[in-house]
Amino acid sequence: AQSVTQLGSHVSVSEGALVLLRCNYSSSVPPYLFWYVQYPNQGLQLLLKYTSAATLVKGINGFEAEFKKSETSFHLTKPSAHMSDAAEYFCAVSGHGGFKTIFGAGTRLFVKA
Amino acid sequence: GAGVSQSPSNKVTEKGKDVELRCDPISGHTALYWYRQSLGQGLEFLIYFQGNSAPDKSGLPSDRFSAERTGESVSTLTIQRTQQEDSAVYLCASSRDRELEKLFFGSGTQLSVL
Repeated sequence: AQSVTQLGSHVSVSEGALVLLRCNYSSSVPPYLFWYVQYPNQGLQLLLKYTSAATLVKGINGFEAEFKKSETSFHLTKPSAHMSDAAEYFCAVSGHGGFKTIFGAGTRLFVKA
Repeated sequence: GAGVSQSPSNKVTEKGKDVELRCDPISGHTALYWYRQSLGQGLEFLIYFQGNSAPDKSGLPSDRFSAERTGESVSTLTIQRTQQEDSAVYLCASSRDRELEKLFFGSGTQLSVL
């Protein structure tokens, strides 16, 4: 069985500050891990994915995430927040093969000017 | 098509009525998924199709929910005798054989049951 826990339903940062969105997973098999982003009034789009290659994964818009097996974590970071980063972010996990991707509850990111 | 298309974008219905939600996946994508997104909650997996077959229906909330896919293309999610708790955004996603784990999402159908 697989599951994802996102810590914090809302995160607020100032423009230019570090963004850190937390995700912990549970998986009985080596996982594939993902971050998806949902901008207001838009569909979800893939931000980045981990599929057992490099543990530090770089995505679009300056985001990156690090797979830490010992901590069962896959936290999303960005060094400097931009107003356009305001959105809802979902962490997700699936087994190899990609079927039945399980999503976390989401974290809404607010960016203050 | 260029992306995953869902229709209608909004649906308002009365409690007890049946509704059909449609999903047109990206052309050539063999896998198709349905999720439900309720206010303040994450995405709840409902069902996925590999081709026209649905190997895993475990996410369907009740027997009022059913889905089918024809021609390895369009899929329809049907909710019979709708209830107020069915109100949510229903999202469809598709993926291709070579990269099954990368889901492309539609914009969803906002269902409101009065």
